[in-house]
Amino acid sequence: NAGVTQTPKFQVLKTGQSMTLQCAQDMNHEYMSWYRQDPGMGLRLIHYSVGAGITDQGEVPNGYNVSRSTTEDFPLRLLSAAPSQTSVYFCASTGGGNTEAFFGQGTRLTVV
Amino acid sequence: AQRVTQPEKLLSVFKGAPVELKCNYSYSGSPELFWYVQYSRQRLQLLLRHISRESIKGFTADLNKGETSFHLKKPFAQEEDSAMYYCALSGFGNEKLTFGTGTRLTIIP
Repeated sequence: NAGVTQTPKFQVLKTGQSMTLQCAQDMNHEYMSWYRQDPGMGLRLIHYSVGAGITDQGEVPNGYNVSRSTTEDFPLRLLSAAPSQTSVYFCASTGGGNTEAFFGQGTRLTVV
Repeated sequence: AQRVTQPEKLLSVFKGAPVELKCNYSYSGSPELFWYVQYSRQRLQLLLRHISRESIKGFTADLNKGETSFHLKKPFAQEEDSAMYYCALSGFGNEKLTFGTGTRLTIIP
């Protein structure tokens, strides 16, 4: 049972490039979310999804897109990378009713 | 709006000494409170949640609705407790988590 799997673990982008961070879970969780972790700012919610075909914005959605075509996958797309998007990104999934949130191992992204 | 405040960014404690990591929250409804921990080179994981009222790795946390606090406590710190600790909140029946800024706990041998 893999839990939440994120790829890649590390990525360096040039300003203006686009890329997709992958997230997959095998726990049949309906709720999935993306956070960014920055020093002194904790984890901030970027986008979330309550089920396939449903997504919504979190606290810091600008510059990011998401889609949820299946229950398992929740990719995060950076449309035109900026240095301000240098961060560690975490994907998480949660079963219904405030059960435990399971996190991926994170993607460390550097935009130069 | 929901908000979680962790006033200490860094906390150093000697091994064997008591530990208290502070967490205060703001939420208009009925909250669910959690503590998550991130050990070095590991993913973020749930440490404990207030509804279960259990002790995990010697840590406990009591929800004080009057003071809107959910402080994490351990009577005797161990070196393996060194980690980043996040307090988090969600509304009852809502999976969306709001995190505090985190406290990096260092246990001094």
